[in-house]
Amino acid sequence: GAVVSQHPSWVICKSGTSVKIECRSLDFQATTMFWYRQFPKQSLMLMATSNEGSKATYEQGVEKDKFLINHASLTLSTLTVTSAHPEDSSFYICSAYTGTANQPQHFGDGTRLSIL
Amino acid sequence: RKEVEQDPGPFNVPEGATVAFNCTYSNSASQSFFWYRQDCRKEPKLLMSVYSSGNEDGRFTAQLNRASQYISLLIRDSKLSDSATYLCVVNSRGYSTLTFGKGTMLLVSP
Repeated sequence: GAVVSQHPSWVICKSGTSVKIECRSLDFQATTMFWYRQFPKQSLMLMATSNEGSKATYEQGVEKDKFLINHASLTLSTLTVTSAHPEDSSFYICSAYTGTANQPQHFGDGTRLSIL
Repeated sequence: RKEVEQDPGPFNVPEGATVAFNCTYSNSASQSFFWYRQDCRKEPKLLMSVYSSGNEDGRFTAQLNRASQYISLLIRDSKLSDSATYLCVVNSRGYSTLTFGKGTMLLVSP
């Protein structure tokens, strides 16, 4: 159980393109979804917390107009990297949380984004 | 002090060895603790939760010391397939928000 699907798994785009990443919880309802970014040899860094039906909460230093997050249902959240540039190239990972205290988050497979 | 700190690694051990990872966290109000495993270029996968009384899952034993704000992971009889980066994870800001350590890389050799 607790499967999270993330799509696409790999994206290569030209600079200036907007890229949308989907995160779906397949067999449970996720009240909260998280978006992380991981650069090579670095830890996962939380970008934003998304609660279903409300605006996402962004971490300090993460531009909300650059990284648009939509969490329209209990099973789907999307992250759109607008006008992506080479410095946005990274490994983006979503996770989903049921809302039950002290339960772990379940991670998607991650999306490797490369901007040329 | 960083929110979650881990041994820097890498740890290079032979098959069959016992290896221990340590982790400290700064927020004494943290409630949930986990060890995740991350393979190269893959997403983190939950290895085990860490409970106050300590817990064991096969070759893996996790311990928590709330007074010292310290978590450990012991791996016995290391296998080649244990080679990965082990992430210490703590909920430091509310029960759903997780903070990840930088990870400790383990390399198990034949």
